[in-house]
Amino acid sequence: KQEVTQIPAALSVPEGENLVLNCSFTDSAIYNLQWFRQDPGKGLTSLLLIQSSQREQTSGRLNASLDKSSGRSTLYIAASQPGDSATYLCAVRPFPNNDMRFGAGTRLTVKP
Amino acid sequence: DGGITQSPKYLFRKEGQNVTLSCEQNLNHDAMYWYRQDPGQGLRLIYYSQIVNDFQKGDIAEGYSVSREKKESFPLTVTSAQKNPTAFYLCASSTYATNEKLFFGSGTQLSVL
Repeated sequence: KQEVTQIPAALSVPEGENLVLNCSFTDSAIYNLQWFRQDPGKGLTSLLLIQSSQREQTSGRLNASLDKSSGRSTLYIAASQPGDSATYLCAVRPFPNNDMRFGAGTRLTVKP
Repeated sequence: DGGITQSPKYLFRKEGQNVTLSCEQNLNHDAMYWYRQDPGQGLRLIYYSQIVNDFQKGDIAEGYSVSREKKESFPLTVTSAQKNPTAFYLCASSTYATNEKLFFGSGTQLSVL
């Protein structure tokens, strides 16, 4: 059964710092991996989707990488801003099953 | 605008009562999902449906029921058999055309009176 782990559980950084969030998964047989952002009391907003055949995806200040063989993904946030403060979750879609598996998330605080 | 609408935003359940959470999507997505989120934990799958009139249990289906009579709608009923229903419930949808990217609604917070 696929297990997804995110470390650290919480992270606090000063504004302007570049940072990396980590996600690891136990089974390399995946269809895709998705990073989400969640603000308190809100639903999840998709940030980046990486297909199993891809190595990375970029959107603005965000870059996500995928290394299936080692069961790892990273989300890189450049020049962090207070508005980036939120919980970031990663999730993998196992192959061939259809049940997305989520990590518990990393709660990010960017201090002005 | 296309999206997923969950209602109500807040819901209160009395002991022994069944309550139904609504989820409607106008994205023309084939698959729909219900997740439960407890504080500090990842999302756990309750039920999912890949086509109309068909659905499968997730990891924590006990005490819950669903129906999928229309492509756009996937309501979740929390029955009295669910002894610890207080949680944040999230509905999501996906389709092969967008590589099964998950789209989420804004959630329903269910609390027990």
